[in-house]
Amino acid sequence: SQQGEEDPQALSIQEGENATMNCSYKTSINNLQWYRQNSGRGLVHLILIRSNEREKHSGRLRVTLDTSKKSSSLLITASRAADTASYFCATATSGANSKLTFGKGITLSVRP
Amino acid sequence: EPEVTQTPSHQVTQMGQEVILRCVPISNHLYFYWYRQILGQKVEFLVSFYNNEISEKSEIFDDQFSVERPDGSNFTLKIRSTKLEDSAMYFCASSENPLGPQHFGDGTRLSIL
Repeated sequence: SQQGEEDPQALSIQEGENATMNCSYKTSINNLQWYRQNSGRGLVHLILIRSNEREKHSGRLRVTLDTSKKSSSLLITASRAADTASYFCATATSGANSKLTFGKGITLSVRP
Repeated sequence: EPEVTQTPSHQVTQMGQEVILRCVPISNHLYFYWYRQILGQKVEFLVSFYNNEISEKSEIFDDQFSVERPDGSNFTLKIRSTKLEDSAMYFCASSENPLGPQHFGDGTRLSIL
């Protein structure tokens, strides 16, 4: 099964606009995490939301989790050109010794 | 802020040769991982390591792969006899807690000729 599928695959917005990215998954999870990857760099952890949480905020980031629909969304408010990157959701499953299962990622371009 | 460091940043190797990718995880982390990312594809889990032994490995992590923590700071991934399809970015990660956030290095780009 493919865990952690994001949509859209690519998103282009103007600086100052909000960016919303969605992720769906198939199995039960302990938590869901969002990561950012700048071109040629490693992944940077952004935010973690546990399966018993519905919404979480961190700065300009807002993540929601709907376990009944097995989906999550990441909202970046007031986007900046520096937010241009690929964004990945990743699921962590209890009993799986902390393996993360990543989606294919969303390429976000923020035009100045 | 502490970082995970990986060396080399780029490794070019002939098919059939052995390659060792090196990582220095964050010093107080206890859980270590290797992932790979083939160009344009998703990040794939290879192996997790805790308390000096493999916790879990994926189907990709076959007998050609091995991991080792030779001392208190390094964590290595060895591919014994490389194949063309091993060409990818290899990322090392570490975490304080299982199921928690993972901290990634910038990766080693492995090119098999």
